Amino acid sequence: IAGITQAPTSQILAAGRRMTLRCTQDMRHNAMYWYRQDLGLGLRLIHYSNTAGTTGKGEVPDGYSVSRANTDDFPLTLASAVPSQTSVYFCASSDPPSPLHFGNGTRLTVT
Amino acid sequence: GQQLNQSPQSMFIQEGEDVSMNCTSSSIFNTWLWYKQDPGEGPVLLIALYKAGELTSNGRLTAQFGITRKDSFLNISASIPSDVGIYFCAGQSTSGGAQKLVFGQGTRLTINP
Repeated sequence: IAGITQAPTSQILAAGRRMTLRCTQDMRHNAMYWYRQDLGLGLRLIHYSNTAGTTGKGEVPDGYSVSRANTDDFPLTLASAVPSQTSVYFCASSDPPSPLHFGNGTRLTVT
Repeated sequence: GQQLNQSPQSMFIQEGEDVSMNCTSSSIFNTWLWYKQDPGEGPVLLIALYKAGELTSNGRLTAQFGITRKDSFLNISASIPSDVGIYFCAGQSTSGGAQKLVFGQGTRLTINP
């Protein structure tokens, strides 16, 4: 079934550790996105990519980095995790101007 | 940053009742979207609105793109148990290809059978 795969589904991480959240899509969409979801705040854009080889900053990029080496993969890295990065992270993709499709999320807890 | 004001934050209704929720913004958007999120899953698109004043239906769901392009509402008629979940509005602007969505805070819908 075509769609977006995120891994891991959940993770508990000690503060200061490095972590990469994985996202793969098989729809050949050009654009990909990372959002974080926090209670009462909805979803907020962290980073995005228009196409392979390009990335851009969203609303809350600090503490995160991304890369887009190919069309299908868009990993999100936390270089040194902090407790405020405890959240649910959603990867999405789109073939503009069609709407975004979302993965099922990664629940991250930083202790 | 930009933010959408979505209301109500939560609703507790009886099965069969109609539901209405709305979003307002201080900014103009080119597109308004309504998503639904079930527990443990990502948001799923319900309705997309592309023109100011547009009224669009998807089964029991009806949504409108406000004429000022700063607001939108979603109605659900004759609610059923599977309508339970969190509903999000999103305003979309396109910049250099990627679509950047601004989300409302969500409306949590609970239905009493």
